[in-house]
Amino acid sequence: ETAVFQTPNYHVTQVGNEVSFNCKQTLGHDTMYWYKQDSKKLLKIMFSYNNKQLIVNETVPRRFSPQSSDKAHLNLRIKSVEPEDSAVYLCASSSGTDNNQAPLFGEGTRLSVL
Amino acid sequence: GDSVTQKEGLVTLTEGLPVMLNCTYQTIYSNAFLFWYVHYLNESPRLLLKSSTDNKRTEHQGFHATLHKSSSSFHLQKSSAQLSDSALYYCALSDRYYNQGKLIFGQGTKLSIKP
Repeated sequence: ETAVFQTPNYHVTQVGNEVSFNCKQTLGHDTMYWYKQDSKKLLKIMFSYNNKQLIVNETVPRRFSPQSSDKAHLNLRIKSVEPEDSAVYLCASSSGTDNNQAPLFGEGTRLSVL
Repeated sequence: GDSVTQKEGLVTLTEGLPVMLNCTYQTIYSNAFLFWYVHYLNESPRLLLKSSTDNKRTEHQGFHATLHKSSSSFHLQKSSAQLSDSALYYCALSDRYYNQGKLIFGQGTKLSIKP
């Protein structure tokens, strides 16, 4: 049973628009992540939050901004989308940042930018 | 920096044959963990295996892998492929010191099992 919930499942938009994706986890985990899976299926970390604090911020364009209201929620906003932003955005969570903690993933939000 | 290499982009096998998906990694951190995730279409990536200590085999759902620090490898194996094994498989590396819990993923290997 999925315990990391992402909305929406799909989103189609035009270049220059703003989009927001939501993620909620019901596991009581302290750490949440956003990953991007591109058209070649490459999976890369974008952001990581631990107890609402940003701890990992990979080199992503400044139009991407994560937002965390509490440790169960981590949203992603993209201001002024570009065609290369078309991808699947995967949210994940884990109980802490110890390296033996395998993150649990949501089903992803597929973004298509026309 | 850390990296994970999965040299096969696509592996096509006939049902019943053994499976081996390659994974090698680079890290200067001695206590890194390796993971295999399986990703079925329109589902979430799901943890399949996590590494244990050096040279110890870990098993789950018919798959197994052994961490070999001497060769920096964590290959995924199964003795007999099933049609339902067709999916995208990712090998991933995690080390707390340098990566603060985030996973570094390989390029992924698509496994296609034919009848």
